[in-house]
Amino acid sequence: QSALTQPASVSGSPGQSITISCTGTSSDVGSYNLVSWYQQHPGKAPKLMIYENTKRPSGVSNRFSGSKSGNTASLTISGLQAEDEADYYCCSYAGSDTWVFGGGTKLTVL
Amino acid sequence: QVQLVQSGAEVKKPGASVKVSCKASGYTFTRYAMHWVRQAPGQRLEWMGWINPGNGNTKCSQKFQGRVTITRDTSASTVYMDLSSLRSEDTAIYYCARDYSSNVYGDLDPWGQGTLVTVSS
Repeated sequence: QSALTQPASVSGSPGQSITISCTGTSSDVGSYNLVSWYQQHPGKAPKLMIYENTKRPSGVSNRFSGSKSGNTASLTISGLQAEDEADYYCCSYAGSDTWVFGGGTKLTVL
Repeated sequence: QVQLVQSGAEVKKPGASVKVSCKASGYTFTRYAMHWVRQAPGQRLEWMGWINPGNGNTKCSQKFQGRVTITRDTSASTVYMDLSSLRSEDTAIYYCARDYSSNVYGDLDPWGQGTLVTVSS
């Protein structure tokens, strides 16, 4: 499968909101409500931030929210904070017990 | 607490094989799927495959068909990922990650600390 499409980078100032898109196809994102989002700081393992499109694991700030429309999923971070600066990856179920990640987005907090 | 501890870094020559282990603790090992994900230096995350520790069934990405073998030892609560015919492009950090719930939805949490595999002649 081809990687899901994410913008290479996004940026925002503290307190602002940003949205990261994740575009797939009707064979993955569009067919299943199984998109997850991960935050990865340099040199660290990824951390689950959103699962099943919109759900937040316990302990994840409610400043993080997810949505999906058609073949595109989105991660929104409100009230940007310096510690949100990281790489973000989406991942979708792609059928036949396989999954596919996005290309990753580098978030810079200005 | 739920914890995944992986084996240490490896240096291998092209054409060799590597076996990375992932020891789980803090939960019922057979109830949750385990996935393998890799990340080449400066590159994106790449899903490799998964195993149902309960029955040993596996599925791997088409990209790795024939080169990746995922197994488990239930008595040791450990999952293994074996990658053969190594080439320089396989140089990466390899992560194991558990499904967040007992459903196999690919919601990965927690993750192991990662194992750096370097392929170099």
